[in-house]
Amino acid sequence: GAGVSQSPSNKVTEKGKDVELRCDPISGHTALYWYRQSLGQGLEFLIYFQGNSAPDKSGLPSDRFSAERTGGSVSTLTIQRTQQEDSAVYLCASSLDPATNTIYFGEGSWLTVV
Amino acid sequence: RKEVEQDPGPFNVPEGATVAFNCTYSNSASQSFFWYRQDCRKEPKLLMSVYSSGNEDGRFTAQLNRASQYISLLIRDSKLSDSATYLCVVNPRGSSNTGKLIFGQGTTLQVKP
Repeated sequence: GAGVSQSPSNKVTEKGKDVELRCDPISGHTALYWYRQSLGQGLEFLIYFQGNSAPDKSGLPSDRFSAERTGGSVSTLTIQRTQQEDSAVYLCASSLDPATNTIYFGEGSWLTVV
Repeated sequence: RKEVEQDPGPFNVPEGATVAFNCTYSNSASQSFFWYRQDCRKEPKLLMSVYSSGNEDGRFTAQLNRASQYISLLIRDSKLSDSATYLCVVNPRGSSNTGKLIFGQGTTLQVKP
C-alpha cells in the first residue's frame, strides 16, 4: 500500500513483558514520528526521526521506551517492562518534508497491558 | 498551561448549522498551524493548514490571530458526515530542523439530523 503501515494492529500483553511496535513509512518520506493517544485523550508526542537520527526524543515518557530507525525507512518502538499505564494507541506518521509539516498517520497499534 | 488548548465540547448541532471552534497556543514563536480531523477509532487526517491571511476550503474557514495566539475553524452548513473530533495542531518552533507538531486535545462535533 501507499500509506503508513503499522504492525501489530492490536497487541495484548502481560504487565512486565516487552513489546515492539513497527512502522513502515510512506516510501521516500525522510521524517518519521511516533505519537501516543490514550483513551479519550489528545495525541502525545514521543519522538521524531529525520533519516536515521532522532533530533527530538523529548516525549519518550521513561527509559523503558526506546525507538530506532534503520535505512531511513522502518522504525521500531520498544517498550520494556510494560505497565498498565502504557495502554494506548501508538500512532506512527511520516512526512516528505518537515518544513511543510504535512504528516500522514498510520492506523495505529492498539496496545493493551493486562 | 498546555501548549495547545481547545474546548473539548462536545458541540451538538443540527444539520445546516454553522459552528466555530477555537484554539489557543502558548508559544508566540510558533510558525505553522493546522486543523486535523479524527474520526472515532481512526487516525488523524489533515483537514487544512491555517495561513496568516486566513483561508477557506469549501464550507471550512480557518483563521489565525497571532496577537492573541488564537486559531479558529468555522464550519458552515454542517453535514452529518462532519461529525468527528477536530484537532488544533501547532509547530512550536517552525524550524525546518524539527517537524514536531503539538496536538490539542480536540473538539468533538456531533451533527444531528
